[in-house]
Amino acid sequence: EEQLVESGGHLVQPGGSLSLSCAASGFMFSTSWMTWVRQAPGKGLEWVATINPDESEKYYVDSVKGRFTISRDNAKNSLYLQMNSLRVDDTSIYYCTRDGRLLLPWGQGTLVTVSS
Amino acid sequence: IVMTQTPLSLSVTPGQPASISCKSSRSLLHSDGKTYLYWYLQKPGQSPQILISEVSSRFSGVPDRFSGSGSGTDFTLKISRVEAEDAGVYYCMQGLDLRTFGQGTKVEIK
Repeated sequence: EEQLVESGGHLVQPGGSLSLSCAASGFMFSTSWMTWVRQAPGKGLEWVATINPDESEKYYVDSVKGRFTISRDNAKNSLYLQMNSLRVDDTSIYYCTRDGRLLLPWGQGTLVTVSS
Repeated sequence: IVMTQTPLSLSVTPGQPASISCKSSRSLLHSDGKTYLYWYLQKPGQSPQILISEVSSRFSGVPDRFSGSGSGTDFTLKISRVEAEDAGVYYCMQGLDLRTFGQGTKVEIK
């Protein structure tokens, strides 16, 4: 079964940093494009970042450019999102998903709360 | 690419049809001949689940009361006869250039 499990969500103060992880299983992670999508409380889905299999291509939504870094470790079947200079409006559930244009599967999400 | 859904909310009686529109700011037709428009449903407390891929291909296990249509920049998701389990928020998403979601359409069952 294809599965993604996110972790690392936490309460953090504005200006702080946090690193999210996503563990993949059941599919060829090393050859898969991967994407992070977030959802603020009561709001819609927002694409955050995408990475290709060898990390040579990384794309970000404008609002996180320069603050967030997407990366991966194919040997560990893991995807990461390093988030720096966090703002209150980064508060969201963060989902990782395999990106074959179709986003599937999705993890269960991990909650990041930015608040003082 | 900006994705615009209408309506943003819908209240439907079980057994009645429902329709959601999604418009993209530019054509989602790729040079490979495919149109990269997807429909997802997010039920309360759950991750999004795929319903329709590439405009009209119903995903495995999705009931045939769901159908997708459209081309270019205009797309529609139709539910022929709404059931109670169809409640949730429906999103269209473009997969042509990075990824963008519509605002979501909340479907409530009367």
